[in-house]
Amino acid sequence: AQSVAQPEDQVNVAEGNPLTVKCTYSVSGNPYLFWYVQYPNRGLQFLLKYITGDNLVKGSYGFEAEFNKSQTSFHLKKPSALVSDSALYFCAVRDRLTGGGNKLTFGTGTQLKVEL
Amino acid sequence: KAGVTQTPRYLIKTRGQQVTLSCSPISGHRSVSWYQQTPGQGLQFLFEYFSETQRNKGNFPGRFSGRQFSNSRSEMNVSTLELGDSALYLCASSLDSPGQGNTIYFGEGSWLTVV
Repeated sequence: AQSVAQPEDQVNVAEGNPLTVKCTYSVSGNPYLFWYVQYPNRGLQFLLKYITGDNLVKGSYGFEAEFNKSQTSFHLKKPSALVSDSALYFCAVRDRLTGGGNKLTFGTGTQLKVEL
Repeated sequence: KAGVTQTPRYLIKTRGQQVTLSCSPISGHRSVSWYQQTPGQGLQFLFEYFSETQRNKGNFPGRFSGRQFSNSRSEMNVSTLELGDSALYLCASSLDSPGQGNTIYFGEGSWLTVV
C-alpha cells in the first residue's frame, strides 16, 4: 500500500528566506506525487505534481518540488517565502488501483508559518 | 472555467439525522471522489465515482454512501449521523485519461457539524 510521511508538523521561516517542506513516500512502482495547499476554512488548492521526467517540478505561486527516487522524497521548496504563503501543505501520492481510478493518499500535513 | 462546486458550504445537523452533500465537477471531468477531513484522522478517501458507477471505496461504514448522475454531478449521503461525523467533506474531480497523470482538483468543501 502507498503511504506518505510529512515529518514536520510545523515549519517556521522568515519572510524572504528559502523554505522547504519535507515529504517522503512509499509506493510500489513509479510514484505519482502531488502537493496541495489549504488556507483556513478553504478546500485544497493544487500546487504541482510529479509524473515523470525532470526531477525538479515547477508549480504555482513560485513553488517547486524536487523528486529524489533514491531517497524516496518529494520536498516542496520556494526560494523566497512570503507571509501569504502561511498555510497548511499536504503531500499526496496517487494510489495504483487494479481497476484504475483517482485516489490520493495524503500525508498528515505541515503547517507553514512565515513571519516578518 | 468553473472549478469544483460544493453545496452547501456549512450545515449543522442533529445526531441521528441524515445529510446529503452535493458536488458539481469541473466541466468535462467524469471522475468524482469524496474525502473526509478531520483534525484527528486527517484526509481520508471515502469513495470515487466514474460514469455513474462507484469505482473505488475507502474504509468507511455503510452509513456513508454516494451516487453520480449522468451529467457527472455527485451526491454523498450520511445516514444516522454521529458526533464523529463532524468534518470537512471535500469533493474532487479529475479527467480519466490514460497514464495516471491526471490532476485531481478539489472544491471548497462542505463543513458539517453534528450536535
